[in-house]
Amino acid sequence: AQKVTQAQTEISVVEKEDVTLDCVYETRDTTYYLFWYKQPPSGELVFLIRRNSFDEQNEISGRYSWNFQKSTSSFNFTITASQVVDSAVYFCALSEAWGNEKLTFGTGTRLTIIP
Amino acid sequence: SAVISQKPSRDICQRGTSLTIQCQVDSQVTMMFWYRQQPGQSLTLIATANQGSEATYESGFVIDKFPISRPNLTFSTLTVSNMSPEDSSIYLCSVEFGTGGSGYTFGSGTRLTVV
Repeated sequence: AQKVTQAQTEISVVEKEDVTLDCVYETRDTTYYLFWYKQPPSGELVFLIRRNSFDEQNEISGRYSWNFQKSTSSFNFTITASQVVDSAVYFCALSEAWGNEKLTFGTGTRLTIIP
Repeated sequence: SAVISQKPSRDICQRGTSLTIQCQVDSQVTMMFWYRQQPGQSLTLIATANQGSEATYESGFVIDKFPISRPNLTFSTLTVSNMSPEDSSIYLCSVEFGTGGSGYTFGSGTRLTVV
């Protein structure tokens, strides 16, 4: 069985602060994908990143960065110099095997950026 | 990535009635996924729809309540039958874009309120 845990239910930070969203996962598979999605107040799900289980390199995209550590089964997401537009619910998700497999979502972290 | 058009975007329905949600994808896809997001909750997979065969339902979801059609490789519908207030949720369809678990894109969602 697979499971994704986002222990932080809600986080509030002041604009321009850095913030890290935690994600811990469980899976018996050796081949899997990890994802982060953003859900702004409008409700749509925006794909942010996909990481496969064989690639532990950290990734940076603008103000966003991701830290994947298989040793601790974690895939954390950091926003640098946060902005009000970053306010949203962020979901971490896991899919086992390659492609066309369901996503198992964490419970999400509601991030509020205070102007 | 694939673009999904999902309709309706929202609806308010009377209990005991049914609502059919449509998802149209701008490219051919093997599988389409239907998720439910109850208020303030994470996403839960309802079923996986493969063209030419019956949908595969997750535990807790049954075909009589959530019948799915998949007439071709670009279109699917989900019907929420005999609705009760507990069915009030956001319903989202999803498809994989790229290959090998590249990522999953979601429709904009149908926000359903049952009164």
